[in-house]
Amino acid sequence: AQSVTQLDSQVPVFEEAPVELRCNYSSSVSVYLFWYVQYPNQGLQLLLKYLSGSTLVKGINGFEAEFNKSQTSFHLRKPSVHISDTAEYFCAVDSNTGKLIFGQGTTLQVKP
Amino acid sequence: NAGVTQTPKFQVLKTGQSMTLQCAQDMNHEYMSWYRQDPGMGLRLIHYSVGAGITDQGEVPNGYNVSRSTTEDFPLRLLSAAPSQTSVYFCASSRGAGTGELFFGEGSRLTVL
Repeated sequence: AQSVTQLDSQVPVFEEAPVELRCNYSSSVSVYLFWYVQYPNQGLQLLLKYLSGSTLVKGINGFEAEFNKSQTSFHLRKPSVHISDTAEYFCAVDSNTGKLIFGQGTTLQVKP
Repeated sequence: NAGVTQTPKFQVLKTGQSMTLQCAQDMNHEYMSWYRQDPGMGLRLIHYSVGAGITDQGEVPNGYNVSRSTTEDFPLRLLSAAPSQTSVYFCASSRGAGTGELFFGEGSRLTVL
């Protein structure tokens, strides 16, 4: 069975500082990995995804993530955050079944 | 550009009542799914469908029924609502398994008293 663990429930950070949101997964088969963002009172939208190929994946809004198979991690990073990045971020895994399994979510709070 | 449309956006039920949350997509997506979102628990998959006439259970299917008679629609039925079903429900669709890009509706907030 697959599972996803997001290691931080809340991450406070000052504007223009770098940020890393951590995600670890477990699966006995090859997986696809995703990060989604949810702004207040909205649905989720895709930030980036890893399906195959380069382990460094770039997404929208300046975010990137690195797939590390040996550490079963897929951490999300941004070198300089903005107030508008304040949102909840979800890591998710799919073993090509279509059943996307989500982590518990990390709330990113960007302070001025 | 409708995408995934959910109705209603808000609903209050009494324990034991039944209701249906509607979901429609206009992108001709084969795959559709329902999630519930609860604080500190992320999104949990309730039911999903890989095409018209085919449905399957997710992580938390108890108390919910689904059907998929057309490609466009995927309603979620609560047969006898319980306070534990108070949650925000999201419908999502994608072109198919493994593509990963789920398109989400705006959510339906359900309160069961």
